[in-house]
Amino acid sequence: VLTQSPDFQSVTPKEKVTITCRASQSIGSSLHWYQQKPDQSPKLLIKDASQSFSGVPSRFSGSGSGTDFTLTINSLEPEDAATYYCHQSSSLPWTFGQGTKVEIK
Amino acid sequence: EVQLVESGGGLVQPGGSLRLSCVGSGFTFSRISMNWVRQGPGKGLEVVASISSSGTYIYYADSVKGRFTISRDNAKNSLSLQMNSLRAEDTAVYFCARDVGATFYFDFWGQGTQVTVSS
Repeated sequence: VLTQSPDFQSVTPKEKVTITCRASQSIGSSLHWYQQKPDQSPKLLIKDASQSFSGVPSRFSGSGSGTDFTLTINSLEPEDAATYYCHQSSSLPWTFGQGTKVEIK
Repeated sequence: EVQLVESGGGLVQPGGSLRLSCVGSGFTFSRISMNWVRQGPGKGLEVVASISSSGTYIYYADSVKGRFTISRDNAKNSLSLQMNSLRAEDTAVYFCARDVGATFYFDFWGQGTQVTVSS
């Protein structure tokens, strides 16, 4: 089970955003982060806990291993309004966190 | 450019059947494992079925086991999901997504197709 916190965050532009994802058991670094905007499919941001996917802005970063992981958005941009999901692929069934909605104030 | 295009969604009555398709382009389809991931209304994401590049290895979520069948035709760059005995709780947007690398992250997703199960 993956548990994200917070469920919702309202943030002003240029502010720093931190989203955490906690796994119920150790998953090594098999943790990935996605961004989903309304009426769009999810897009991969971070793979293997800390590796940025091609083309993703440098303000997005990931860290952690084992059971505790963090997605950080440095200097939030208006286009970053979205729901963010973590995803573990350490063992079947692959699962997602419940999502964190980030709103721009 | 990698593209995944789903089709086949629609409105179906409980107990009915539907077949979803996903066509891939811009990459060597036959070398990539593929997945169906769904998202219920206002809900999160659930991997419902996965299939390895050759079709040898298949996974189903418990929620669909025995009702859904995933398959692929590498000659046609096509992925399918046959859904039988549909229930209201199967109502969702269904995405196809490819997974690459040793740790199975989903690097590209289709735009999704809506499946609604209702009488």
